[in-house]
Amino acid sequence: KAGVTQTPRYLIKTRGQQVTLSCSPISGHRSVSWYQQTPGQGLQFLFEYFSETQRNKGNFPGRFSGRQFSNSRSEMNVSTLELGDSALYLCASSTGPSDGGADTQYFGPGTRLTVL
Amino acid sequence: QQQVKQSPQSLIVQKGGISIINCAYENTAFDYFPWYQQFPGKGPALLIAIRPDVSEKKEGRFTISFNKSAKQFSLHIMDSQPGDSATYFCAASNTGGFKTIFGAGTRLFVKA
Repeated sequence: KAGVTQTPRYLIKTRGQQVTLSCSPISGHRSVSWYQQTPGQGLQFLFEYFSETQRNKGNFPGRFSGRQFSNSRSEMNVSTLELGDSALYLCASSTGPSDGGADTQYFGPGTRLTVL
Repeated sequence: QQQVKQSPQSLIVQKGGISIINCAYENTAFDYFPWYQQFPGKGPALLIAIRPDVSEKKEGRFTISFNKSAKQFSLHIMDSQPGDSATYFCAASNTGGFKTIFGAGTRLFVKA
């Protein structure tokens, strides 16, 4: 089975621009979560989607948004980029049981975003 | 309440030694505690996980010890090898929470 794929792998943007990152989950996985990883803050939860619905959201400003499509693929968008948005953005998928039971997350390799 | 505190931040161990990483949590609703291993340039990968109904789980050289009353859990890597050099994250989640909280990570270096 193919793993979680993320595109692009690397991205360089300037302040004020916007960016869209894409994530394709493992086949059959319906839950997709997004994380921001920085050296100082570790892995910070952004949001989780299941069957096109956002079920939970982390403490990030409204500039960070996401969506999930009917095929479970997900995108996240960051508008009005700031220098502090430079980070590795990780996507993780899981079977995401509808009863919310915790299960294993499988991570993609991430998208490295650099904001100049 | 939602934090998971992980220590140490970094760890250097001789080959063949035991690596121990500790985590503590506050939210008693957490019911799933996984450990992830991350190599440079890769996303984290599940190493081993435990639920609070058991006090210990062993898989090969990796063992999780879980102390429910103290709200602490730890990862022990026996016979540590240079190939174990990576960043390790503990995490916690709860049924219905739809999110996983990660510790800050521990960079492990195993000297040959």
